[in-house]
Amino acid sequence: QVQLQESGPGLVKPSETLSLTCSVSGYSISSGSYWGWIRQPPGKGLEWIGSIYHTGVTYYNPSLKSRVTISVDTSMNQFSLRLYSVTAADTAVYYCARPAYSSSAADYWGHGTLVTVSS
Amino acid sequence: DIQMTQSPSSLSASVGDRVTITCRASQGIRNDLGWYQQKPGKAPKRLIYAASNLQSGVPSRFSGSGSGTEFTLTISSLQPEDFATYYCLQYNNYPLGTFGQGTKVEIK
Repeated sequence: QVQLQESGPGLVKPSETLSLTCSVSGYSISSGSYWGWIRQPPGKGLEWIGSIYHTGVTYYNPSLKSRVTISVDTSMNQFSLRLYSVTAADTAVYYCARPAYSSSAADYWGHGTLVTVSS
Repeated sequence: DIQMTQSPSSLSASVGDRVTITCRASQGIRNDLGWYQQKPGKAPKRLIYAASNLQSGVPSRFSGSGSGTEFTLTISSLQPEDFATYYCLQYNNYPLGTFGQGTKVEIK
């Protein structure tokens, strides 16, 4: 059973960097697949932040591209998100996921972690 | 960028009702669309993939249709556990995606 778990600080100060890690169990990231970060501000809809392939190739939402870095550590079976120069608008529940896209395979998501941007 | 317009934003319905939710894409996306259900405090759960394919384990009262720019999620007979928020997700620009704004299904 594939499981994903987000971890990182729940509170970040404005202008600082938000850093989250997604730990994957039950599946080796090195085996393939795309991995993604999605966020959801409180009471609002879902926004795709970006995706990474196991080789480290990244794809970012154009609206966030200038402030985002996603990386992968296959030795730790983890992938990470860094969002720079955060503001209150970046307060959200952040999910990591292994999207299945058009495949019939299961679509896996973490439980999500709330990150609040506040001084 | 591909924009997804989902309607309605909310609806009230009774148990047993037939419910239809629509997503319109700003450009053709073939059948690169999924439907998700989200309950409060939980991660989204995929119901439909490739516009009309039922995810394994999802009840058959859920169905999806459409191609190109117009897509529909139908719940044939609403059950108490179906009260939730539903999102469409286009992934034509794979491996990125864009969600619709969501439809909250509430109890009448």
